[in-house]
Amino acid sequence: DAGITQSPRYKITETGRQVTLMCHQTWSHSYMFWYRQDLGHGLRLIYYSAAADITDKGEVPDGYVVSRSKTENFPLTLESATRSQTSVYFCASRGVVGTGELFFGEGSRLTVL
Amino acid sequence: TQLLEQSPQFLSIQEGENLTVYCNSSSVFSSLQWYRQEPGEGPVLLVTVVTGGEVKKLKRLTFQFGDARKDSSLHITAAQPGDTGLYLCAGSGNQFYFGTGTSLTVIP
Repeated sequence: DAGITQSPRYKITETGRQVTLMCHQTWSHSYMFWYRQDLGHGLRLIYYSAAADITDKGEVPDGYVVSRSKTENFPLTLESATRSQTSVYFCASRGVVGTGELFFGEGSRLTVL
Repeated sequence: TQLLEQSPQFLSIQEGENLTVYCNSSSVFSSLQWYRQEPGEGPVLLVTVVTGGEVKKLKRLTFQFGDARKDSSLHITAAQPGDTGLYLCAGSGNQFYFGTGTSLTVIP
């Protein structure tokens, strides 16, 4: 089915472990984004990508790594998870520069113990 | 520090009442979008405003973009329980910066 999918939907891990959240879109959209959502903060941009092999930092990039070897995939890695990274993570894509709509995945809820 | 501040953060009203949500920034945006998010799902676009002073209506929802393109408002007339959700504004450029969100509950 066409769309944007995230996996896993739920993840519990321990402090210090590496975690990778996957994001896959079937529209061939150029732009992809990773956000985290915490109460009182709305959505905060972690990283974004304008095209394959082009990534850039957002508002809160520390502790996260991204890659974009293929247009359709944009994984987010927490190299050494911390409790402050407990959050709901949303991936989004956009096909049109400027006023284009963002299409979101259903989110990945991550708990770091 | 977030570029976009929304107010109020929480709003609980009775069915049939009117309400206004505000989105303010010190930055100028080329366009501004409003999204609505329901529990367990990602945000979904409601509207995009581009021109300073622009007003757009979507049934009972009225969106306005400030003349200086730094702020926006969302007005809901005669709120319904189905309007319950988290409302987010987003300023766009190459990046999309979201506001802090307004959680609306409409009580039947």
